[in-house]
Amino acid sequence: DGGITQSPKYLFRKEGQNVTLSCEQNLNHDAMYWYRQDPGQGLRLIYYSQIVNDFQKGDIAEGYSVSREKKESFPLTVTSAQKNPTAFYLCASRKEALGQDTQYFGPGTRLTVL
Amino acid sequence: ELKVEQNPLFLSMQEGKNYTIYCNYSTTSDRLYWYRQDPGKSLESLFVLLSNGAVKQEGRLMASLDTKARLSTLHITAAVHDLSATYFCAVGGRKTSGSRLTFGEGTQLTVNP
Repeated sequence: DGGITQSPKYLFRKEGQNVTLSCEQNLNHDAMYWYRQDPGQGLRLIYYSQIVNDFQKGDIAEGYSVSREKKESFPLTVTSAQKNPTAFYLCASRKEALGQDTQYFGPGTRLTVL
Repeated sequence: ELKVEQNPLFLSMQEGKNYTIYCNYSTTSDRLYWYRQDPGKSLESLFVLLSNGAVKQEGRLMASLDTKARLSTLHITAAVHDLSATYFCAVGGRKTSGSRLTFGEGTQLTVNP
């Protein structure tokens, strides 16, 4: 089945640690996105990538880093510079075709800082 | 800076009633999306509206887009408990900026028996 997978589902981090969240898609989508969701709020864009080996900062990129070495994969690293990383992280990929333009979301990773 | 505002943010309604959720946005766009989120879950795409005057319907939900008024509505007809969820609208940016989405805060809908 085609889809977007994220791992792990739950992640616990100690202060000062870097952690990497995985996002993989087998939908052959070119564009991929990382969003952060805080309780009771909408989603905010962290980073996005339109093609392999290229990515741009979103609205809240500070303390995060990404890479896009393969079309299928867009991992997000939460660095120790991110002061308040506890949140729900959602990865998305975008399908663009005639009459369609939709971002599909993965199941999410819930990150908690201990 | 693009701003997206939804109202109401909280909506409690009885089964069988009708209601409308509003989504206003601040700058020009012709792409508007509606998503549903159940508690603790990811987002599910409901509607994609790609032109002025677009109207789409799925079951008890109908979405419309007025790009001149910068307004989209999500109308709920004869609500049922299964529609209880949080609904987000999102406005699409230019393709030159990666077609990034800007989300509203969400409307938490509770349908009571």
